Amino acid sequence: AQSVTQPDIHITVSEGASLELRCNYSYGATPYLFWYVQSPGQGLQLLLKYFSGDTLVQGIKGFEAEFKRSQSSFNLRKPSVHWSDAAEYFCAVGPSGGGADGLTFGKGTHLIIQP
Amino acid sequence: NAGVMQNPRHLVRRRGQEARLRCSPMKGHSHVYWYRQLPEEGLKFMVYLQKENIIDESGMPKERFSAEFPKEGPSILRIQQVVRGDSAAYFCASSPAGGELFFGEGSRLTVL
Repeated sequence: AQSVTQPDIHITVSEGASLELRCNYSYGATPYLFWYVQSPGQGLQLLLKYFSGDTLVQGIKGFEAEFKRSQSSFNLRKPSVHWSDAAEYFCAVGPSGGGADGLTFGKGTHLIIQP
Repeated sequence: NAGVMQNPRHLVRRRGQEARLRCSPMKGHSHVYWYRQLPEEGLKFMVYLQKENIIDESGMPKERFSAEFPKEGPSILRIQQVVRGDSAAYFCASSPAGGELFFGEGSRLTVL
C-alpha cells in the first residue's frame, strides 16, 4: 500500500531564511509525486509535481523539490521564505494526476514564518 | 475557465440530519474525486467517479455515505444521519482523463 510521511508537524522559519520540508513515501511502482499548499480556509493549490526525468523540479512561488529514489524522498525547498508562505503543505503520491485511487496525502506540515 | 466549484462552503447540521455537498468540476473534466480532511490530518481519499459511474469507492464508509455524478449536473456527496465524527472539510477534485487533479475550496461540515 502506498503511504506518505511528513515527519515535521510544525516548522518555524524566519522571514528570508531558507526552508526545507521533508517528505518520504512508500509506493510499489514508479511514483508520481506532488506538493500542495493550503492556506487557512482554502482549497489545495499545486506547487509542483514529479513524473519522470530531471529529479529537481521547479514549481510556482519559487519552490523546488528533489526526488531521491534511493532515499524514497521528495523534499520541498525554498531559498528565502516570505511571510505569505505561511500555510499548510502537503506531500502526495499516486498515479499520474490521480488515477483510479486518487492521491495519498501526508498529514501535512504547518509552516510558521517569524518576522 | 472557472475552477472546481463546491457548495455550500459551510454547512451546519444537527445529529441525525442529512448533509448534501455539491461539486461542479472544471469544464471539460470528466473525473471527480472526493476527499475528507479531518482536523490536523491530511486528505483521505473517499471516492472516484466518472459520469454516471462509481469507479472506486474504497475510501467511503460502508454506511450512511453515498456519492453520485449524474449525466447532467454536479457531483453530490450525501451523508445520511450525520454524527459528530462526520465534522470535517470535504474536498472535491476534478481532472481530465488521466490528467492532473484540480481541487475546489472545500465544504466544511459541522455537526452539532
